[in-house]
Amino acid sequence: AQKVTQAQTEISVVEKEDVTLDCVYETRDTTYYLFWYKQPPSGELVFLIRRNSFDEQNEISGRYSWNFQKSTSSFNFTITASQVVDSAVYFCALSEDFYNQGGKLIFGQGTELSVKP
Amino acid sequence: KAGVTQTPRYLIKTRGQQVTLSCSPISGHRSVSWYQQTPGQGLQFLFEYFSETQRNKGNFPGRFSGRQFSNSRSEMNVSTLELGDSALYLCASSLVGEVTDTQYFGPGTRLTVL
Repeated sequence: AQKVTQAQTEISVVEKEDVTLDCVYETRDTTYYLFWYKQPPSGELVFLIRRNSFDEQNEISGRYSWNFQKSTSSFNFTITASQVVDSAVYFCALSEDFYNQGGKLIFGQGTELSVKP
Repeated sequence: KAGVTQTPRYLIKTRGQQVTLSCSPISGHRSVSWYQQTPGQGLQFLFEYFSETQRNKGNFPGRFSGRQFSNSRSEMNVSTLELGDSALYLCASSLVGEVTDTQYFGPGTRLTVL
């Protein structure tokens, strides 16, 4: 069955520390997409990144980087030199092609990141 | 481009009432998905619409329904409200709702049922 697990419920760090948010997924499909979203206190989910199952290259965008490993079914997210503005809830999500499940994202439970000054 | 808009942003209803929430997708996007977010259950998929047709549905009772109009705007309706329906309801739009599409979310409607 498809499932996304974010084992870390809450993480607290001090500004400038590096932090990694873990995401492990389960899927029966060979074609799937993984996403990370950020949810600040305002509530809106902000899209951060999308990866497809055939592209295992790591990606870096500024202070953000993502490590995708199919062998361990993980798609981890690292924030380097964290800032107070990074404080939010982060969600990992899965979209799979099996049975044409377009339009449906399966979310993890989210990790609440608190960055203290 | 304007983002996804949702109205109203906040609603307070009492048990037994019904409610209608509205979502306007990003211009050019034809797929609209709805999600319910609660502290206990997290983010759960409700349904997805494309070209005025519901293509995909999550595991929710029939009290939850929706529709999509020819301009891709969508509404969701919850009838006979229960306390457990209190949640943040998020709408997302994408180009055509394929697995390859990225969904962009609106700010949500926070529904409180008393």
